[in-house]
Amino acid sequence: AQKITQTQPGMFVQEKEAVTLDCTYDTSDQSYGLFWYKQPSSGEMIFLIYQGSYDEQNATEGRYSLNFQKARKSANLVISASQLGDSAMYFCAMREGTGNQFYFGTGTSLTVIP
Amino acid sequence: GAVVSQHPSWVICKSGTSVKIECRSLDFQATTMFWYRQFPKQSLMLMATSNEGSKATYEQGVEKDKFLINHASLTLSTLTVTSAHPEDSSFYICSGGGGLVYGYTFGSGTRLTVV
Repeated sequence: AQKITQTQPGMFVQEKEAVTLDCTYDTSDQSYGLFWYKQPSSGEMIFLIYQGSYDEQNATEGRYSLNFQKARKSANLVISASQLGDSAMYFCAMREGTGNQFYFGTGTSLTVIP
Repeated sequence: GAVVSQHPSWVICKSGTSVKIECRSLDFQATTMFWYRQFPKQSLMLMATSNEGSKATYEQGVEKDKFLINHASLTLSTLTVTSAHPEDSSFYICSGGGGLVYGYTFGSGTRLTVV
């Protein structure tokens, strides 16, 4: 089974609107971390936001927030007030327990329309 | 914050030659370094995990003799693509570990084109 599932290959959003990128995960560990990365066309992986499995509140970082629904095993990324520079690939990732390995989803290509 | 410097950012080489990609952790000690490969419009695929001072652990299907990984110090890990062929053309990216709480810092990636 896939550890991380991103079901939206591509998304479009109007500039200044909010957009939600979906991510579901699969793990039997009680302790895990969920991450979102942004990858622009240049290729670099930019860390956006982190949510620990024991964190009771949803993580927020500026315009980014993570809608963490533990029972549903979902960790959706919400980008508010979209900007043209937000156009990029977005990857959801998970790290289980004390392990070192990251599991990545297949990514969502976001296009912000002026 | 933690920085991983990856060089070169792009390289074009002839088929049959070898290419070395370097990843340096600039302000932290990377006891673990991960090497990923990414084909266009696809996700990152973990190739191998290297630990400082020991042999790398390769993922299933990755040729150890083709993709040589060396992690001789806490600040430097290298990936050498030996006898490169056009099918090795890809985007290679490293990420450094070693006690970071929130995740690992990624290098800027290397775009390899084998002609």
